[in-house]
Amino acid sequence: TQLLEQSPQFLSIQEGENLTVYCNSSSVFSSLQWYRQEPGEGPVLLVTVVTGGEVKKLKRLTFQFGDARKDSSLHITAAQPGDTGLYLCAGHLTNAGKSTFGDGTTLTVKP
Amino acid sequence: DTGVSQNPRHKITKRGQNVTFRCDPISEHNRLYWYRQTLGQGPEFLTYFQNEAQLEKSRLLSDRFSAERPKGSFSTLEIQRTEQGDSAMYLCASSPTWDWGYTFGSGTRLTVV
Repeated sequence: TQLLEQSPQFLSIQEGENLTVYCNSSSVFSSLQWYRQEPGEGPVLLVTVVTGGEVKKLKRLTFQFGDARKDSSLHITAAQPGDTGLYLCAGHLTNAGKSTFGDGTTLTVKP
Repeated sequence: DTGVSQNPRHKITKRGQNVTFRCDPISEHNRLYWYRQTLGQGPEFLTYFQNEAQLEKSRLLSDRFSAERPKGSFSTLEIQRTEQGDSAMYLCASSPTWDWGYTFGSGTRLTVV
């Protein structure tokens, strides 16, 4: 079983719509990251959250870390075609040396 | 600093051949990671270094895979006797601390024919 489950796996919406994608686990993380990846390129770090209940905003993107530090969500307001990509969450277990990634949500925003 | 650099970007090789990939991390980052990604999947951990020390290697990694980071600077990942199942994107990343986010390179796309 995957340590991090991301949902939905695929999401296709029209420009201007809002959306939320989820990253869930039964494990507690010391930190959690969200990345965006375009085809043929490496993931690009969007945000790191470390405190339970933390909310971070990056322009139209809002990231929330669950109170128990087991889950996270990414909300995009007024999506644009440039938001199209694979959104990956990655968690860092306490005392673990590396991050574990989910399989991502593929977002397509149609003009 | 131009970020994390990986070479080559693409590699096509015949089954049974050996291949070597190079990663140049951000110079201030002492941690370097190798991940592998196949279509429809998230990156899968292979190994990581702190400075020149290889601190962890995935149990899923066969003995055909080896990585080095001499002098704690660039790193190489070698795959011996390649198999078709090795076809994937190989990603290198670096970070300054153990639990912060990573800066990834653009990856090396390996195709084994």
